[in-house]
Amino acid sequence: AQTIHQWPVAEIKAVGSPLSLGCTIKGKSSPNLYWYWQATGGTLQQLFYSITVGQVESVVQLNLSASRPKDDQFILSTEKLLLSHSGFYLCAWSPGQGYSGNTLYFGEGSRLIVV
Amino acid sequence: AQKVTQTQTSISVMEKTTVTMDCVYETQDSSYFLFWYKQTASGEIVFLIRQDSYKKENATVGHYSLNFQKPKSSIGLIITATQIEDSAVYFCAMREGWTQVVGQLTFGSGTRLQVYA
Repeated sequence: AQTIHQWPVAEIKAVGSPLSLGCTIKGKSSPNLYWYWQATGGTLQQLFYSITVGQVESVVQLNLSASRPKDDQFILSTEKLLLSHSGFYLCAWSPGQGYSGNTLYFGEGSRLIVV
Repeated sequence: AQKVTQTQTSISVMEKTTVTMDCVYETQDSSYFLFWYKQTASGEIVFLIRQDSYKKENATVGHYSLNFQKPKSSIGLIITATQIEDSAVYFCAMREGWTQVVGQLTFGSGTRLQVYA
């Protein structure tokens, strides 16, 4: 069975400080990987997606960047946090290779508070 | 542009009863995929059930089933024999068949379900 793990579970960071969030998926080769963001009490918005190692596409501009250094790893980062970056970050995966209707499965999320 | 609307902000039901959550969507695509997810108190988002637009039969998984009314662009989630642990926020989501953005789901605003004893 596939498992997806996100780290850290929660962070409290200062404005202007750097951030790195990560997720790892086990049990699935060559998955599509995604980062989603959720404001407190809000809906989910896709930030990035990656269909292969080394390739990441941005969906919205939020002064964040993402990288996929390994097939099973997806990293979200920024060098300078803004207050607006606060929220809940979710990593997700889906089977790759074509079928556009594949279901997305989400990790447990990382909660970020920027002060 | 695609849009997903959940008008019910919050629902409260007694356990062991049946509840229906509404969701309507807008799309220009003839092919699309509809999903329901549950967000638990910890924040975790769990996939529950899906309906592909070309399938006429309503999907059923465990005590979750869908009421897919394509002419009305509606995809209701039905939970039978509700349990306390079904208390959560439920999100309806849609992906158009020909989106250029891989994995892009459009989510509704969510419906909070409270199941009480």
